[in-house]
Amino acid sequence: SQTIHQWPATLVQPVGSPLSLECTVEGTSNPNLYWYRQAAGRGLQLLFYSVGIGQISSEVPQNLSASRPQDRQFILSSKKLLLSDSGFYLCAWSKGSPLHFGNGTRLTVT
Amino acid sequence: DQQVKQNSPSLSVQEGRISILNCDYTNSMFDYFLWYKKYPAEGPTFLISISSIKDKNEDGRFTVFLNKSAKHLSLHIVPSQPGDSAVYFCAAEGAQKLVFGQGTRLTINP
Repeated sequence: SQTIHQWPATLVQPVGSPLSLECTVEGTSNPNLYWYRQAAGRGLQLLFYSVGIGQISSEVPQNLSASRPQDRQFILSSKKLLLSDSGFYLCAWSKGSPLHFGNGTRLTVT
Repeated sequence: DQQVKQNSPSLSVQEGRISILNCDYTNSMFDYFLWYKKYPAEGPTFLISISSIKDKNEDGRFTVFLNKSAKHLSLHIVPSQPGDSAVYFCAAEGAQKLVFGQGTRLTINP
């Protein structure tokens, strides 16, 4: 069966520090991969999606970037965090429908 | 531009009664619709879906209704149970992307 791992579960980082969140999927090959963010009191906002290695589409221009160095690995990064980057970040995968989410990372930028 | 809208941020229902969660969309290109359930500090989990060629799909206590002409879908939960208390997101799919609504927090009161 397929599983998705996302870490860390929680993270507190100072403003201006770098960020790296990692997500890996097991049990499937060539999945579509996604990064979503849920800001406080808001819905799920699609940040990036990838249909293959090295293929990244950005949905919202911002302080973040994504990379897919391997088929089942998706990384969310930032060079310098802003206060507004605080939120709940979710990685997800799919092969068709539905989308399957990881347990998320709670990021607090202080 | 919010393509998928859940206009009720919260809903409170008595245990045993019916819970009805509503969702509206604007893009007529969406052809598949899903409902996700989310507990705090966890990723959303898939609940039920419906294709645009159908107007109803039922799975146990959960039924999703789709009104294409009105661009409206709803999720019915009957009977409601305390474990149903969670945030519910509707989502619409098109062009390999899933667009989520803002979510509705459902509270089931004993």
